[in-house]
Amino acid sequence: DAGVTQSPTHLIKTRGQQVTLRCSPISGHKSVSWYQQVLGQGPQFIFQYYEKEERGRGNFPDRFSARQFPNYSSELNVNALLLGDSALYLCASSRNAGGIQETQYFGPGTRLLVL
Amino acid sequence: AQSVTQLGSHVSVSEGALVLLRCNYSSSVPPYLFWYVQYPNQGLQLLLKYTTGATLVKGINGFEAEFKKSETSFHLTKPSAHMSDAAEYFCAVSANRGSTLGRLYFGRGTQLTVWP
Repeated sequence: DAGVTQSPTHLIKTRGQQVTLRCSPISGHKSVSWYQQVLGQGPQFIFQYYEKEERGRGNFPDRFSARQFPNYSSELNVNALLLGDSALYLCASSRNAGGIQETQYFGPGTRLLVL
Repeated sequence: AQSVTQLGSHVSVSEGALVLLRCNYSSSVPPYLFWYVQYPNQGLQLLLKYTTGATLVKGINGFEAEFKKSETSFHLTKPSAHMSDAAEYFCAVSANRGSTLGRLYFGRGTQLTVWP
């Protein structure tokens, strides 16, 4: 089975622009989470979606938004980009939204550079 | 709330030596605990996880970790390091109930270097 896929792999934007990142979960997985990993730090939780509904949101500004589609794929949108948004954006999928059997499987990430 | 502290941002060992990466957690509810590995320019790969039951957890590539509730620790070990183990390792905690169910909280990571 294919793992979590993300596109694009790399992206360069300028300050003030908007960006959309995409994620396809593992087949059969209904939950998608997004994380931001700034260089030299651990990933920080941004959003979790389950069955097309937002189930959790981390401490990120409203410039960050996401959605999940009927096929469980997801998009992360960031508006009005700042230099500090430069990071590796990781998508993770799990079968459900949480619980004893849940494991989150991560994609390779999208590396965003804001100039 | 949940949080993770990884002691030592860089650990260096010789090939064949013991690997010990330290992780302490804080959690207001019984935790789930994870170790992930990240190779350069790649995403995160799960090494092992603790949910309930046996406190000594075995993972892939010869790694294991022990959950010690009294010490709030979940240290990662491997008896004999291999060159291919060089990577960044992240400890993570998740709540097993409540509003943050399913959300992972990561430590800052430990970069493991293996010398020949």
